[in-house]
Amino acid sequence: DAKTTQPPSMDCAEGRAANLPCNHSTISGNEYVYWYRQIHSQGPQYIIHGLKNNETNEMASLIITEDRKSSTLILPHATLRDTAVYYCIVRYNFNKFYFGSGTKLNVKP
Amino acid sequence: DGGITQSPKYLFRKEGQNVTLSCEQNLNHDAMYWYRQDPGQGLRLIYYSQIVNDFQKGDIAEGYSVSREKKESFPLTVTSAQKNPTAFYLCASSRWTGKGNEQYFGPGTRLTVT
Repeated sequence: DAKTTQPPSMDCAEGRAANLPCNHSTISGNEYVYWYRQIHSQGPQYIIHGLKNNETNEMASLIITEDRKSSTLILPHATLRDTAVYYCIVRYNFNKFYFGSGTKLNVKP
Repeated sequence: DGGITQSPKYLFRKEGQNVTLSCEQNLNHDAMYWYRQDPGQGLRLIYYSQIVNDFQKGDIAEGYSVSREKKESFPLTVTSAQKNPTAFYLCASSRWTGKGNEQYFGPGTRLTVT
């Protein structure tokens, strides 16, 4: 069963913020939300993760709703190199991650 | 440099042959994973190992086998029983930090079986 729901694709203008949504309505209290991205034909790259508080690092910000049923990954100033498939993942069972189909982000000049 | 290496990057085999994909990590991570990715699809978990000499089946383990004799190494064998072996194979490792356990991925091996 799918654990997360993401739109299949999104467009963003270069230099603007990219806001990628994810629904995880069946998340349980101790499950973290992770975000990865995959550039074509490469291994996925870790971006950020969180439990219930908003998180920020040098790559992105993660906003998790108070009920934890959805989250948004924010790339504050998207560049062409941010064009990739972005996966929102909820860890289920110890050490098992479910990767869905992700969101294809197209950053356009 | 610390990281995960997978070799080779491209692998070609004839149908009916077993093939072993290599995965090595020098990150001192306890857990290692193998995923399969088909074109336009997400990743599907084949096997994972939390510690040396122990491993568990993932969602699509049929036709695959693994071993975990050393912490650094987690080779995957694609057997002739795997009906559709052509795919992109990704290895990952992780460790629990107390605030989650993000996975780090290797560059992948693209296997083509004809």
